[in-house]
Amino acid sequence: DQQVKQNSPSLSVQEGRISILNCDYTNSMFDYFLWYKKYPAEGPTFLISISSIKDKNEDGRFTVFLNKSAKHLSLHIVPSQPGDSAVYFCAARVTGGGNKLTFGTGTQLKVEL
Amino acid sequence: EAQVTQNPRYLITVTGKKLTVTCSQNMNHEYMSWYRQDPGLGLRQIYYSMNVEVTDKGDVPEGYKVSRKEKRNFPLILESPSPNQTSLYFCASSLLHSPLHFGNGTRLTVT
Repeated sequence: DQQVKQNSPSLSVQEGRISILNCDYTNSMFDYFLWYKKYPAEGPTFLISISSIKDKNEDGRFTVFLNKSAKHLSLHIVPSQPGDSAVYFCAARVTGGGNKLTFGTGTQLKVEL
Repeated sequence: EAQVTQNPRYLITVTGKKLTVTCSQNMNHEYMSWYRQDPGLGLRQIYYSMNVEVTDKGDVPEGYKVSRKEKRNFPLILESPSPNQTSLYFCASSLLHSPLHFGNGTRLTVT
C-alpha cells in the first residue's frame, strides 16, 4: 500500500518557466513533509520541508504548498533552471514515529533550454 | 566535510555469500537508517537506529541485519543474499527529528 504517491513519473519544463511537482498521501497521521532531490549516482539531498501546521513554506526559488484536507502537497520551482533536472522525491513523517520517512516513487524533472 | 560514507559503491555477488555494506557518518548524529530503492517503489526503510545499541526494524527488514556498536557506524549485513535483494541501498543519518542526510548509495547485484 503506497501511502505517499507521486503520480507523474516525469515532467518536462522549459528553462525560466515554473515547475510544479505533485504528491498525494493517504495516511492522515503524517504531519511533516519533505522534498528531496536526487542526481544520478548520488544520494537524495534535502530540499525543503513543511509542517502540517502551515500551508506554505518558501525557500528561494522553491515553495512547498500543503493542502491537508485534500492530502496533497506540491513543490513549485520558479524559475526553473537546467541544474534543477533531477529526480524529486516527496516524503512524509509521523511525529513520534522516530525519524522514519515514507517516500513517494519520485518524479524525474527535465528542464530544457 | 559533513558526510555519510557508504562502501562499497558497487557490489556483485552470488546467492548465499555473506556480505556487509559499511556506513559511517561524521556529524555525531544519533539517528541512522538504511533504505533500499527499487523501480516503482521509491525508497523503503530496512532498519533504523535511534542511538548506540538501539536498533529496530523498518518496513522491509527480512534478510537483513544491522548493528550499532559505535555512534558513527551502522553496517548493513546480508547473511545469505538472494536475487530479490538486488537493489540500490542508501544509508542515512540525522539528529533526531531533523532531515535525513543520505550517502551516495551502494548498488548491489545478487546473481
